[in-house]
Amino acid sequence: GENVEQHPSTLSVQEGDSAVIKCTYSDSASNYFPWYKQELGKRPQLIIDIRSNVGEKKDQRIAVTLNKTAKHFSLHITETQPEDSAVYFCAASKGSGGSNYKLTFGKGTLLTVNP
Amino acid sequence: EPEVTQTPSHQVTQMGQEVILRCVPISNHLYFYWYRQILGQKVEFLVSFYNNEISEKSEIFDDQFSVERPDGSNFTLKIRSTKLEDSAMYFCASSPRDTYYEQYFGPGTRLTVT
Repeated sequence: GENVEQHPSTLSVQEGDSAVIKCTYSDSASNYFPWYKQELGKRPQLIIDIRSNVGEKKDQRIAVTLNKTAKHFSLHITETQPEDSAVYFCAASKGSGGSNYKLTFGKGTLLTVNP
Repeated sequence: EPEVTQTPSHQVTQMGQEVILRCVPISNHLYFYWYRQILGQKVEFLVSFYNNEISEKSEIFDDQFSVERPDGSNFTLKIRSTKLEDSAMYFCASSPRDTYYEQYFGPGTRLTVT
């Protein structure tokens, strides 16, 4: 089955710096790659996603890039702020219909943004 | 903004007891999932549910587990005879018709089996 590896497990940056989190996946049939942010004690929140027919997607300060050939995708956060501090999870899915989009998650990255 | 809700937030039970975890998906969503996260480990897929039947289940989802949508709003996960290793955070998620790949998670139920 699918395996998703995520690095680094912890990341500490200064406010205003950029943060990059990387994930690799094993199943070349995977076609959907979401990123979730989870603050302490709260639900995982979908923050951005990308489908395999595009290479990059941007939403304000966050962007995701996908390299299908290398089977890796990355989350980029620019101009980090203390409220970006959270655990970030990447995931992969190879759904082909609405009922079959089970997600395989990475282990998560604890991002700390220091003021 | 509508959100997935889950009850209870924390459930403590003794080994061998039955537990039912409850979820209320977002009202116009059609696809439902359960995931779990053992402390310090990855979030793992358990089961997906659509059109009143299981679409897919993982190896974890054995005969001790069952899901049900008893009415138009609730989605439940039942564990018949809990084991110590069932202790985990259980997340419910749902997806809408149009963007069916986007899954929105509930806040989770922390299950502690003693």
